[in-house]
Amino acid sequence: DADVTQTPRNRITKTGKRIMLECSQTKGHDRMYWYRQDPGLGLRLIYYSFDVKDINKGEISDGYSVSRQAQAKFSLSLESAIPNQTALYFCATSDERVETQYFGPGTRLLVL
Amino acid sequence: AQKVTQAQTEISVVEKEDVTLDCVYETRDTTYYLFWYKQPPSGELVFLIRRNSFDEQNEISGRYSWNFQKSTSSFNFTITASQVVDSAVYFCAIRPVIQGAQKLVFGQGTRLTINP
Repeated sequence: DADVTQTPRNRITKTGKRIMLECSQTKGHDRMYWYRQDPGLGLRLIYYSFDVKDINKGEISDGYSVSRQAQAKFSLSLESAIPNQTALYFCATSDERVETQYFGPGTRLLVL
Repeated sequence: AQKVTQAQTEISVVEKEDVTLDCVYETRDTTYYLFWYKQPPSGELVFLIRRNSFDEQNEISGRYSWNFQKSTSSFNFTITASQVVDSAVYFCAIRPVIQGAQKLVFGQGTRLTINP
């Protein structure tokens, strides 16, 4: 089984709808991240969390919110989706010892 | 601020050729980590290597090798005897080695196509 899972893997939604992307991990890591990938721009950090009580904005947090429900779960919400939020979204995990971020399989989101 | 530049947007070679992917970075941090990730057509991101800035020893793993040169701020990746399965987008990334700093800064990626 995959260590980092994301649901859904693909999603089509309409402008103005609220949508939640979920991430779960079995690696036992305390740190979790959300990135988005756009063609030609690499990956950009949206939010990150060092533990359940610690949430931090990344470089492109506007229009997004997150919830760290447990050490193993980190959800990303788009409160009112807009077309320029169409992208590939990745969740990642790491811990202080490992120093490397491991990524989930990604969620392809299309906002019409 | 940190920056990673992968000047090669796309590379196409014939199978069995050697190919080098360039990565140049900018940072004011004295210690940092450098990474390479692979993104195959299926879309997932696969971790390949992490290198500490204080360790300039080159590394080889099978057909993959990495050349880290601090003097030129480069961390290049070479695939020897390329195979079709190496076709993917490859990302170079950097982050500082300081407590609390977890943000990875990625380059734009290099799309590598290996033709049979």
